[in-house]
Amino acid sequence: QLLLQESGPGLVKPSEPLSLTCSVSGGSISSSNYYWGWIRQPPGKGLDWIGSIYYSGNTYYNPSLKSRVTISVDTSKNQFSLKLNSVTAADTAIYYCARGGVSEVALDIWGLGTMVTVSS
Amino acid sequence: DIQVTQSPSSLSASLGDRVTITCRASQSISRYLNWYQQKPGKAPRLLIYAASTLQSGVPPRFSGSGSGTDFTLTISSLQPEDLATYYCQQSYNNPRTFGGGTKVEIK
Repeated sequence: QLLLQESGPGLVKPSEPLSLTCSVSGGSISSSNYYWGWIRQPPGKGLDWIGSIYYSGNTYYNPSLKSRVTISVDTSKNQFSLKLNSVTAADTAIYYCARGGVSEVALDIWGLGTMVTVSS
Repeated sequence: DIQVTQSPSSLSASLGDRVTITCRASQSISRYLNWYQQKPGKAPRLLIYAASTLQSGVPPRFSGSGSGTDFTLTISSLQPEDLATYYCQQSYNNPRTFGGGTKVEIK
């Protein structure tokens, strides 16, 4: 059974970068059948798509974050990562990683999520 | 960006009721519409993809329909475990925008 687990600091200072890692277990991240994505959810609010990365290395980012975000994959560690620069309080959220099916074009497996607070 | 609008934002229904949630896209998205369920304090769970295909393990009381710009999620007989917020998401193009959510409460 494929499992995804987010990890990273729970507290980040304003203007600093936010870095999170999603570890994939029970399956390989190197499959052309899937893509890997990040989604966030501010406290008490809805879901916000951050971006995704495909087996080919192609990345797609939400234009609202594009200048600040980078998603990358480390196949040797079976992980993918999110880096968000110059954070503000508005970036405080639960961050989820998820797997998407290329055929289904839907996020079928999600991590539990990790809460990140931006505060000095 | 394609905007996705859900309605209602919340609803209250009795056990056994038929519940319908709608999602409207700002442009045609064919059948590239997914539905997720998020229970309090939990990660979202995929219910339906491609507008009407039930994800493995999802109870058959959930169903989806629609194409183009208008879509519907139906719960045929509301159960206690269906207390949750439901989100639609368009996967026609990037960014893969989500609807604002519909919170379902039990009367």
